[in-house]
Amino acid sequence: SAVISQKPSRDICQRGTSLTIQCQVDSQVTMMFWYRQQPGQSLTLIATANQGSEATYESGFVIDKFPISRPNLTFSTLTVSNMSPEDSSIYLCSVEDRLAGGPSEQFFGPGTRLTVL
Amino acid sequence: GENVEQHPSTLSVQEGDSAVIKCTYSDSASNYFPWYKQELGKGPQLIIDIRSNVGEKKDQRIAVTLNKTAKHFSLHITETQPEDSAVYFCAASKSNYQLIWGAGTKLIIKP
Repeated sequence: SAVISQKPSRDICQRGTSLTIQCQVDSQVTMMFWYRQQPGQSLTLIATANQGSEATYESGFVIDKFPISRPNLTFSTLTVSNMSPEDSSIYLCSVEDRLAGGPSEQFFGPGTRLTVL
Repeated sequence: GENVEQHPSTLSVQEGDSAVIKCTYSDSASNYFPWYKQELGKGPQLIIDIRSNVGEKKDQRIAVTLNKTAKHFSLHITETQPEDSAVYFCAASKSNYQLIWGAGTKLIIKP
């Protein structure tokens, strides 16, 4: 399966600032996704990052707050803008990958743990 | 829209015993059902999945069963070990990437 890395692994930020999270995959993938996981909760899809086009955002998430870049098939960034304590969460990158001869499946990076003071 | 309910929220079993986690889904068009394991401080790890053309799938100590008529699927872990302690998430999808997630089950293996 694809190997996914994220930077930073964790950060503590002041309210009103912005943080950009990077996601790197060791192989070319068509679809990359960004999720948010609030403490003790399940995963919520923020957006689908499409190479060569704008990201597709889920209900409740907007581009001004969570701008996403997808410059190529192995990399994406998510920016959390104008942060408030409510943005404290784990942010996860995932990719859809197809094993040789098999169906596609979704794999996750290790996550970025963000605390906003 | 699709809704996935997962039970129990916490499950404590004796080491060596079996653990069963159950999920129900609402959209009969769902056809893909993965299970993820999330250890503390890590991202979710895909441990097994099943598609709607089969009723059961097994991988060593882990099995998943699917009842399409009742719209529920279950994760079975046999001979539990301390390293099985984690949070487990089920999900359902009509396509492989639009996953609808359950709330998660914290599995505790007692020595």
